[in-house]
Amino acid sequence: DQQVKQNSPSLSVQEGRISILNCDYTNSMFDYFLWYKKYPAEGPTFLISISSIKDKNEDGRFTVFLNKSAKHLSLHIVPSQPGDSAVYFCAAINTGTASKLTFGTGTRLQVTL
Amino acid sequence: GVTQSPTHLIKTRGQQVTLRCSSQSGHNTVSWYQQALGQGPQFIFQYYREEENGRGNFPPRFSGLQFPNDSSELNVNALELDDSALYLCASSLGLGEKLFFGSGTQLSVL
Repeated sequence: DQQVKQNSPSLSVQEGRISILNCDYTNSMFDYFLWYKKYPAEGPTFLISISSIKDKNEDGRFTVFLNKSAKHLSLHIVPSQPGDSAVYFCAAINTGTASKLTFGTGTRLQVTL
Repeated sequence: GVTQSPTHLIKTRGQQVTLRCSSQSGHNTVSWYQQALGQGPQFIFQYYREEENGRGNFPPRFSGLQFPNDSSELNVNALELDDSALYLCASSLGLGEKLFFGSGTQLSVL
C-alpha cells in the first residue's frame, strides 16, 4: 500500500523556468511533510518541509504548497538551475509516532540549458 | 556528517551481513532505511538511546544495534535475493528531529 505517491517518475525543465513536482498521500494521520533531494552516490538531503497547519512554506527558490482536503502537496522551484537536477523525494510523517518517514518513489528532475 | 561502511558489498544468498553507520556527534537517534531500485526509501527500524523505537514491515532477520559511541549496525541474516538494495542510515538530534542521511551501502545478493 503506497501511502505517499509521486506519479511522475521524471520531469524535464529548461533553466530559468519553474519546476513543479507533485505528491499525493492517502493517510490522513500524516501531519508533517518533507521534501528531500538526492544526487547519485549520495544520501538524501533535506530541502524543505511543511506542517499540516500551514498551506505554504517558502525558502528562497523553493516553495512547498499543501492542500489538505485534496491530500496533495507540490514543490515549486523558481527559477530552476542545472544544479537542481536530482531525484526529489516527498516524505510524510505522523509526528505522534515520531518514528518513521514514509517516502514516495521519487521524481527525477532534469534541468536543461 | 553521517558515514556508512562499506559503500558496496556483494554477498551470496543465505549469508549474513553487517552494515555500519557512524552518526553525527551528539545525535541519539538512528534510523535505517532500505531503498530498492526505482523505489523510495522504506523504513526498517529506529533506535533511540540504544533501544529499538519503532519498526517497519521487515522480518526479524533484520536486526540492529546502537552503541553509545555514535556508532550503530544493521545486521541481516539468511540473505535473500530481494535484499539487494541501497541501505541508508540516518541520524537525528532526537525523536522527530530532522534526519541527516549517510551515502548508503549498496548491497548485492547473488
